[in-house]
Amino acid sequence: GQNIDQPTEMTATEGAIVQINCTYQTSGFNGLFWYQQHAGEAPTFLSYNVLDGLEEKGRFSSFLSRSKGYSYLLLKELQMKDSASYLCAVRDSNYQLIWGAGTKLIIKP
Amino acid sequence: ETGVTQTPRHLVMGMTNKKSLKCEQHLGHNAMYWYKQSAKKPLELMFVYNFKEQTENNSVPSRFSPECPNSSHLFLHLHTLQPEDSALYLCASSQEMDISYEQYFGPGTRLTVT
Repeated sequence: GQNIDQPTEMTATEGAIVQINCTYQTSGFNGLFWYQQHAGEAPTFLSYNVLDGLEEKGRFSSFLSRSKGYSYLLLKELQMKDSASYLCAVRDSNYQLIWGAGTKLIIKP
Repeated sequence: ETGVTQTPRHLVMGMTNKKSLKCEQHLGHNAMYWYKQSAKKPLELMFVYNFKEQTENNSVPSRFSPECPNSSHLFLHLHTLQPEDSALYLCASSQEMDISYEQYFGPGTRLTVT
C-alpha cells in the first residue's frame, strides 16, 4: 500500500531551527508537496519538490531524496506564528495526492 | 483568502436530515476536489472533478453525492449520514489535475452528525 510517515508532534523554541521529516512509499512519484495548516484554517501551499535537492524560499526550505523516499521541511528563525500543522503529500503515478497525517509544530517562547 | 470559499462553515445535522455543502472558486481553475479531514488522520480524497467531469470516486459511500454544475462551483449533498461522518470537509481547486500544480483549499465545513 501507499504510505506517508511524519512525526505526530514536535516542539521548538522561538528563534530556533526545526526540521520536519517525511518518508514515503508510493506507487510512482510525481512530486512532493508541503502544506501549512493553522488550527481551524485551510491548508496553504508551502513548497514543491520533484527533483533531488534543496529548494529554499525565505525562512522555509524543503529537501528531497527520491532514492531514499525522504523529504524534510526546514524552518529557520522560528516565529510564534509558525505554530501549525505541516502536511506532507506525494503525487503518485496516477497523479493522485497521497497525504501524511501531518506534524503539529508547537513553538515556545 | 485563498480564492476558494465554502458554506456553511459549521453544520450540525441529524442522521435523517438532508443537507448540502457548497464550494466556489474564483481562480479560474479547471479541477476541483472534496476531501474529508478527521483528527490526526491523513486527508482523504473523496471526489475529483476535472473540467466538470467526475474523474475519481474513492469508494465513498452513496450517502455522499457530489455535483459540479460548472467549473467554479462544487456541491456535496449529504443524506442519512452516520456519526462517524463527523469531520472537516475541505474543498480544493487546482489549475489542472494531471500536472503538478498546487491545490488551493477552502476553509472547510465542520460537520457534526448527531
